[in-house]
Amino acid sequence: DQQVKQNSPSLSVQEGRISILNCDYTNSMFDYFLWYKKYPAEGPTFLISISSIKDKNEDGRFTVFLNKSAKHLSLHIVPSQPGDSAVYFCAARDSGAGSYQLTFGKGTKLSVIP
Amino acid sequence: DGGITQSPKYLFRKEGQNVTLSCEQNLNHDAMYWYRQDPGQGLRLIYYSQIVNDFQKGDIAEGYSVSREKKESFPLTVTSAQKNPTAFYLCASSSPDLPILMNTEAFFGQGTRLTVV
Repeated sequence: DQQVKQNSPSLSVQEGRISILNCDYTNSMFDYFLWYKKYPAEGPTFLISISSIKDKNEDGRFTVFLNKSAKHLSLHIVPSQPGDSAVYFCAARDSGAGSYQLTFGKGTKLSVIP
Repeated sequence: DGGITQSPKYLFRKEGQNVTLSCEQNLNHDAMYWYRQDPGQGLRLIYYSQIVNDFQKGDIAEGYSVSREKKESFPLTVTSAQKNPTAFYLCASSSPDLPILMNTEAFFGQGTRLTVV
């Protein structure tokens, strides 16, 4: 049973426009959410995170929105740049479970077209 | 510079052989993890360790073994029992802060591409 779902395997966006990547989760105990960016044959790099006590977190061109009632979060990239082309993983954590392991979605491949 | 080092970057193994992937971190992190990435599968947790001399199975531990004798090292052995070992393996570490902070992300190594020939 997938607890973190990224239902769009891929997304194409024109340079300069907004990219919106979506993520849904089923475990109501998740209290911390993260987005990672990954290039081929490299390790993921941390992008942005949000605690369940917030509904928005912004860092430069990246904003993450959390809708707890819908168990949904999204990553907005504005404006999108060709260098943003990568696979984006949504991850979630249940801090109360006693470990800090992350549960990952399957990823969304973003292609920003110049 | 602090970070996580995985070696080697590419590894070839013959069927029936065990192979060990190295993961070292100098971030002084307590927790370390091994993930496996397959096309269309995202990152799946193999094993994790929250403290030295202790480790727990993740979602896909069968055919793998780990040890955590030192805080900075968490090697993963892919045994001959692993039916589909060809994959991209990622090691990560994190530092559980006080629960009130919760501002902890996992840092990843650059990965090891294992191919069974």
